[in-house]
Amino acid sequence: ELKVEQNPLFLSMQEGKNYTIYCNYSTTSDRLYWYRQDPGKSLESLFVLLSNGAVKQEGRLMASLDTKARLSTLHITAAVHDLSATYFCAVDRGYNNNDMRFGAGTRLTVKP
Amino acid sequence: DAMVIQNPRYQVTQFGKPVTLSCSQTLNHNVMYWYQQKSSQAPKLLFHYYDKDFNNEADTPDNFQSRRPNTSFCFLDIRSPGLGDAAMYLCATSSAMTGAEDTEAFFGQGTRLTVV
Repeated sequence: ELKVEQNPLFLSMQEGKNYTIYCNYSTTSDRLYWYRQDPGKSLESLFVLLSNGAVKQEGRLMASLDTKARLSTLHITAAVHDLSATYFCAVDRGYNNNDMRFGAGTRLTVKP
Repeated sequence: DAMVIQNPRYQVTQFGKPVTLSCSQTLNHNVMYWYQQKSSQAPKLLFHYYDKDFNNEADTPDNFQSRRPNTSFCFLDIRSPGLGDAAMYLCATSSAMTGAEDTEAFFGQGTRLTVV
């Protein structure tokens, strides 16, 4: 069964600092997703990564994928308060096993 | 415009009284998912459809059922809600075409279920 591990679970950062969230998964997979969730809200799609070496950037967030290591990272550059939220990675095995499964989430707090 | 729509946004039901949550999509995606998310937890996959093929997670209680009458609609039926079923229920869709450009998965706004 596909397992997705995410760390850290809690992250408290100062504004202006950099940090990385890690997502490991256990089996060959087709797609890796990163989502943001604000309290009481649904999930907002940030990135979809398909292939080994894929890198995508949007503002202060950059995601990468290493399919050989079964590892994705979400890098935060020069954090600002507005980035405070919970971030989830999710993995879809594809190939007719489209069971998109989530990591436990990283609750990020950015302090002034 | 919303592409995955869940109704209702908030649902209050009595203990043991059957309830149905609905999800519709305008994306023509062939995969639809139902997730349960409790407070401060990750979304937990209940089941998913690949077209009409239904895939039930091994640990999804029998109390939870689903129907997908056509591509656009999917329903979650909770036959006898218990207090432990209070949660946010999220519907999502994706295209299962590997390598397709349309690879993003879209979530609805969720239905928050309260059991009294």
